[in-house]
Amino acid sequence: DAGITQSPRHKVTETGTPVTLRCHQTENHRYMYWYRQDPGHGLRLIHYSYGVKDTDKGEVSDGYSVSRSKTEDFLLTLESATSSQTSVYFCAIQGTDYGYTFGSGTRLTVV
Amino acid sequence: GENVEQHPSTLSVQEGDSAVIKCTYSDSASNYFPWYKQELGKGPQLIIDIRSNVGEKKDQRIAVTLNKTAKHFSLHITETQPEDSAVYFCAAGYGGSQGNLIFGKGTKLSVKP
Repeated sequence: DAGITQSPRHKVTETGTPVTLRCHQTENHRYMYWYRQDPGHGLRLIHYSYGVKDTDKGEVSDGYSVSRSKTEDFLLTLESATSSQTSVYFCAIQGTDYGYTFGSGTRLTVV
Repeated sequence: GENVEQHPSTLSVQEGDSAVIKCTYSDSASNYFPWYKQELGKGPQLIIDIRSNVGEKKDQRIAVTLNKTAKHFSLHITETQPEDSAVYFCAAGYGGSQGNLIFGKGTKLSVKP
């Protein structure tokens, strides 16, 4: 996806371990978002950022934290991974034309 | 807060037929309604969007209609092709600063050759 990359693409981790997912953009957009996608639930907002060091919670933020020290990077951390956090995680950036551009996603499995 | 309902959850059509997916939203202040297409293993991709000051928008074989009074909007795909097979998501929210879109749960469209 042009201008936005997520890493890693796949990760398997053990219950109780911390995990950090990275979203990197080259578009210099102000707004960045983290969503999780689960069958039957669609896309649910975890956290979002409206600038460097400016973040806020979404509807499913429990167990997650974020950081944004640079415009281009938005990190999502699972402080102590649980099996309920097994999901596909998508990062999105928002341009001035309102539309979101999503990354390719990170498939996280917590065992 | 905003709530978006999307129907149907699955839709199967024959190639060449039309497909219609419908969404309703709850927050009358929402002013931006995009539609996303997600192919297997990929992130959602914006295919068309509409703002609250417009009732209909077309782009080749796809169109979106918005009824603000009834708080519903629909995606119409004409002359469907096998490559239209994907999961489609509608969303609603405030456009511009702090988009904060709320998404529907998705419709899996299958186009049979």
